[in-house]
Amino acid sequence: GAGVSQSPSNKVTEKGKDVELRCDPISGHTALYWYRQSLGQGLEFLIYFQGNSAPDKSGLPSDRFSAERTGGSVSTLTIQRTQQEDSAVYLCASTADSRYEQYFGPGTRLTVT
Amino acid sequence: AQSVAQPEDQVNVAEGNPLTVKCTYSVSGNPYLFWYVQYPNRGLQFLLKYITGDNLVKGSYGFEAEFNKSQTSFHLKKPSALVSDSALYFCAVRDPDSGTASKLTFGTGTRLQVTL
Repeated sequence: GAGVSQSPSNKVTEKGKDVELRCDPISGHTALYWYRQSLGQGLEFLIYFQGNSAPDKSGLPSDRFSAERTGGSVSTLTIQRTQQEDSAVYLCASTADSRYEQYFGPGTRLTVT
Repeated sequence: AQSVAQPEDQVNVAEGNPLTVKCTYSVSGNPYLFWYVQYPNRGLQFLLKYITGDNLVKGSYGFEAEFNKSQTSFHLKKPSALVSDSALYFCAVRDPDSGTASKLTFGTGTRLQVTL
């Protein structure tokens, strides 16, 4: 079946602009995660959704970052007033059982110029 | 807090030889452990997991890993490496008793290079 999809695959934006990154989880998966992968920081957890609620937002680096999930499916990660340090690959993952393995999408490469 | 260490940035092995990629972890309770592989410009692909039971777990593409509680390790192994195994490997841990939902904490990754 279809895996986790993310769009866009690449995004180049100017410093100070807002961006939206989209994640479409595997159908039926109730848990959804956002991670960030950058050269200096490795793979960092950002936020976790169970259904439409976010029990754990502890990894969001600043209040410029927000995320929502609607209909228990698609999620959007929004970064306001982007900074150069936001440049990274943003990965989304989903799972049917939050206790076990997560399935990752291909990521969105964000470059802030 | 949970953490994972992958002490080797890179592992080099000749095709046909056995390979080991090391991982150690720290959690307050009993860990859930995972290995993922990442090929260039791709997302992470799940290889195998340890939740409970047999300490030796088998996964995709002939990989296996051994959970060692006393050494807090979960090393990834393969009896005979292939050039196509060359990729970036991540170990991850989840502490089910941590109260921090189900987030995974990843190691820094180990690049495996298999040569002919």
